[in-house]
Formats: sequence, C-alpha cells, structure tokens
Amino acid sequence: EVQLVETGGGLIQPGGSLRLSCAASGFTVSNNYMSWVRQAPGKGLEWVSVIYSGGSTYYADSVKGRFTISRDNSKNTVYLQMNSLRAEDTAVYYCTRDMYSSSWERWFDPWGQGTLVTVSS
Amino acid sequence: SSELTQDPAVSVALGQTVRITCQGDSLRNYYASWYQQKPGQAPVLVIYGKNNRPSGIPDRFSGSNSGNTASLTITGAQAEDEADYYCNSRDSSGIRVFGGGTKLTVL
Repeated sequence: EVQLVETGGGLIQPGGSLRLSCAASGFTVSNNYMSWVRQAPGKGLEWVSVIYSGGSTYYADSVKGRFTISRDNSKNTVYLQMNSLRAEDTAVYYCTRDMYSSSWERWFDPWGQGTLVTVSS
Repeated sequence: SSELTQDPAVSVALGQTVRITCQGDSLRNYYASWYQQKPGQAPVLVIYGKNNRPSGIPDRFSGSNSGNTASLTITGAQAEDEADYYCNSRDSSGIRVFGGGTKLTVL
C-alpha cells in the first residue's frame, strides 16, 4: 500500500526552526517528485515546495530562503527544514507524491494525514 | 506568479449536476488536477490530466478543459460529495499553484 506519514509538527516560537519528516512506504521516494503543501487554519491549500527525482528543488515565494526540502534515500523519507518561522507559517503541512505522465500533466497522490505547525509566542 | 481562480461557493440540489470551474492562464498549457477535501481530512485526488479518475473515485466525477478554464463536473451529486474542491496546475517554471477552493453544498 502506498502511504505517507508526516511527523515533526508542534508549537514553535517566532524566529524558531522546525524539521518535518515524511516517511514513505509502498514506493521509492528517490524515483519520484515529492511536494509539501500547507493549509492555514480555515484557509485553502498552498503549495510550498517540490524535490525532483534528479534532486532539483523549487519553492513558493512565501518560503523561499527560509525553507529547505531534502530527502534521505536510505530512509525513504522527505524532509522540510523550516527556519525563521513566522506566525503566518502556522498551518497543517501535508506531504504528497507529485506525479506526472507528461510535461503538461501533474497531480498529487497520495497525501499524508498532515502535521500541524503552530508558530506562536 | 500564476494564479488560479475558483468561485468560493457553489450549491446543487441532490441528484442534480454541478460544474465547478477554475480559471488561469497556465491552464492554456497545462492540465488541472482536482482535489476533494472534507472537514478534518487530507485532500483526495478526484480528477487528473485530460479527464482521468483514480481508482475508487465514482464515475459521476468528470473533468474538462477549454482555453484558460478547467471544469470539474459532478453528474448526479450525492450528499457525500459535499466538500471543498481545489484545482491545481503548474506554470512554466515548475511552480505548482492551487485555486482558492470552492465550497460545494448539496441541498
């Protein structure tokens, strides 16, 4: 069964750092694109970052320079290192496999259950 | 950066057909994917590509594309279809973007 499990969320003070983990099972992370998507309380979905199978990474403007996506192939796990956290980073963070069949088709499947990050003093 | 625009809310009578739309310039070059999200749950993929349904998604869900608009159609809406629906696409730089979401109410 293809599954994603996120961990690492919690309460953190503004300016602090946190690392989220996403453990995958049923497929190999290094052979896939993997994205992080977040959802602030009561708000819509916001794409955060992607890591390609070749290692290239991309970020939303809102997190560029503060967040870093990476992976550990031996653990089949993707990470999101979040630094200089702000109140507006408060959200549920989802990990998802970023699928494609051609350059003009992209979709996210499956999704993890999400981990809540609360940035507050 | 690219933007995708959705109507904030749509309603449909039980058993009737509803179309949820998503507009954006990137949709002229890239297909949208659609996600259903119920309260307290993670999003679920319902449509991707030209008009593809993942295993387990009922065939009352379908997708279409025209110009800068992608549409998700539910033919014969059921009570369990009441949820938030989000479209997603990519732009030429590889950035992914979501629409603001549409809250579907089944009356």
